[in-house]
Amino acid sequence: EVQLVESGGAVVQPGGSLRISCAASGFSFDDYMMHWVRQRPGKGLEWVSLINWDGGYKVYADSVRGRFTISRDNGRNSLYLQMNSLTTADTAVYFCGRRRGGKNFLDYWGQGTLVTVSP
Amino acid sequence: QSALTQPASVSGSPGQSITISCTGSSSDIGAYDHVSWYQHFPGKAPKLIIYDVNYWPSGISNHFSGSKSGNTASLTISGLRAEDEADYYCSSYAGSDTYVFGTGTKVTVL
Repeated sequence: EVQLVESGGAVVQPGGSLRISCAASGFSFDDYMMHWVRQRPGKGLEWVSLINWDGGYKVYADSVRGRFTISRDNGRNSLYLQMNSLTTADTAVYFCGRRRGGKNFLDYWGQGTLVTVSP
Repeated sequence: QSALTQPASVSGSPGQSITISCTGSSSDIGAYDHVSWYQHFPGKAPKLIIYDVNYWPSGISNHFSGSKSGNTASLTISGLRAEDEADYYCSSYAGSDTYVFGTGTKVTVL
C-alpha cells in the first residue's frame, strides 16, 4: 500500500526557517518524481515544488523560489522541503504527493503537516 | 501562475447530477489536456478522481466524469450520493513542469 506521511510542521516566527519531511513507503521511491503542495487556511490548494528521481532537477512556484529548497534522500525514502525567510503568507498545511511516472497529476498524497508562521 | 477559478459551492439532492466548472487560461487548461480533479475531505489526504481531462484512476467510480472546452474544464458527479460531500479541486499542467490548482468547490448533498 502506498503511504506518504508528512512531519515536521511547527510554529515558526516570521523570518525563521523550518524543514518538513515526507516519509514514503509501499512503492519504489526512487522511481517517482515528487511534489509539494500547500493549502493556506480557508484557501485552495497551491502547487509549491517538484523534484525528479535523483534530485538533480527541481522546479518551484514563483511564490517560494529562492526561499524554499526541495530535496530527497532515496536511501531513506524521504522527501524534504527546507523553508527559509518564512512569512505569515507561508502559513499552510503542506502536502507531499507522488507524480505518476511521465504523467502530469499526483496519484497519491499524504495527509499534510501544518506550518504556522506567527510572531 | 494564477489559480484556476471554481465556484465556491455547489449543492444537489441525492440522485441528482451536478457540475463543477474550472476556468483557467490559454496557458494552462487551454494549452494542455492535463486536467485532473481531486476529492478532499478536510484533514485527510486528497484523492485523485479524474486525470487527463476524462480518465478514471483504478478503483474510482464512473459516476465522476470530466470534460474540457477551451479554457474551462468541468467535473460532473452523476447520481449524487451522501458520501460525495467533500471539497473538490481541479488542477492543470501549466508548462515547464509547473502546475496550477483551482480555488476549490465545496459540494453539499442536501
